[in-house]
Amino acid sequence: GAVVSQHPSWVICKSGTSVKIECRSLDFQATTMFWYRQFPKQSLMLMATSNEGSKATYEQGVEKDKFLINHASLTLSTLTVTSAHPEDSSFYICSAPGNTYEQYFGPGTRLTVT
Amino acid sequence: AQRVTQPEKLLSVFKGAPVELKCNYSYSGSPELFWYVQYSRQRLQLLLRHISRESIKGFTADLNKGETSFHLKKPFAQEEDSAMYYCALRRAAGNKLTFGGGTRVLVKP
Repeated sequence: GAVVSQHPSWVICKSGTSVKIECRSLDFQATTMFWYRQFPKQSLMLMATSNEGSKATYEQGVEKDKFLINHASLTLSTLTVTSAHPEDSSFYICSAPGNTYEQYFGPGTRLTVT
Repeated sequence: AQRVTQPEKLLSVFKGAPVELKCNYSYSGSPELFWYVQYSRQRLQLLLRHISRESIKGFTADLNKGETSFHLKKPFAQEEDSAMYYCALRRAAGNKLTFGGGTRVLVKP
């Protein structure tokens, strides 16, 4: 089946710095990718839809200037957490839809802001 | 707006016992319903969807539009079924998924 990768798998950064997370579709093209945030022992919350060649669409309540999304190519979307704060510490997961109904999820990136 | 509710955060059953995970949804249109599973230290993966009406790993789920439910059932739970299970809804148009809060299943030997 299709595979989605994320890099890095775990990142620690200091408050005030920015960190970039990559999401790649390894063996298929994805014009759309989704970014989720998952708090410990909680569900996935959709943050934004990444669109290749156009601006991302953010869900209500998600700060677009803080969570910058760039869909650079048909296989790569990046999420940059700018001026990170400890409350941004979370598990970030991306997904990409396949040809039919299935969505393929990345393994997630754990962000810890100190 | 659509919403998915999984009332149980944790289900603990013994091996061989039946298990049922509840899922209720609210959506004004015709949704597609899915169950996703996340085993320990693994990524989220699709378990089954309502349209296919199939049984995967012994699990089945029936969409009940009258009760707006999509409960997941397995008659005889196995230890390898221990995982987090998420019910998800996709609107008729588009690929966005709305997830329920998740249910952790623990199958004891």
